[in-house]
Amino acid sequence: DSGVTQTPKHLITATGQRVTLRCSPRSGDLSVYWYQQSLDQGLQFLIQYYNGEERAKGNILERFSAQQFPDLHSELNLSSLELGDSALYFCASSVTGASSTDTQYFGPGTRLTVL
Amino acid sequence: AQSVTQLGSHVSVSEGALVLLRCNYSSSVPPYLFWYVQYPNQGLQLLLKYTTGATLVKGINGFEAEFKKSETSFHLTKPSAHMSDAAEYFCAVSGPLYSGAGSYQLTFGKGTKLSVIP
Repeated sequence: DSGVTQTPKHLITATGQRVTLRCSPRSGDLSVYWYQQSLDQGLQFLIQYYNGEERAKGNILERFSAQQFPDLHSELNLSSLELGDSALYFCASSVTGASSTDTQYFGPGTRLTVL
Repeated sequence: AQSVTQLGSHVSVSEGALVLLRCNYSSSVPPYLFWYVQYPNQGLQLLLKYTTGATLVKGINGFEAEFKKSETSFHLTKPSAHMSDAAEYFCAVSGPLYSGAGSYQLTFGKGTKLSVIP
């Protein structure tokens, strides 16, 4: 158990809908990362937050957004969903995210299926 | 910018045989390298990491990896495979997303699925 929790574990929805994925980091970790894992793209970094502020953006679509709250939990919002958004979404956390030696600890993921 | 190449999307070994999973990296800064394992329907678990110092890094579950700068490699090995090692393994390099960025992200390889034959 990494100490990172994600809810829900599974999500099934229809095209055009909007969903919210939730992540709670390990105790003491200030940085949260979101990744998308799909068969064709592999593991792709989406976005990083540090202590409530957006720190870096990767391959995140404009239809997707995220935020980190004062209690450090984070939410990833996916809107106008398309079939191609079906994937595993992982959250990870680290102490700072400002050091290349920081270890990222991953949650169990949320499997999103768009029908 | 960083990149990781994992040679072999699928590797099969017999139980008790040597496990060798290959990883080559490209990095514009001194590389910090990680191996993660993903068991079916689970998240990624850190196996080991290289930051500085000793180039032979020991991890959990009997795995180790050797950082070879001249070969830009960080191959993962285990002397004797066990059935419970069947999983997908990801090599990753840590670095700034872009030049001058004040934060570091992981760039992952495509993964190698390890099958262990009884």
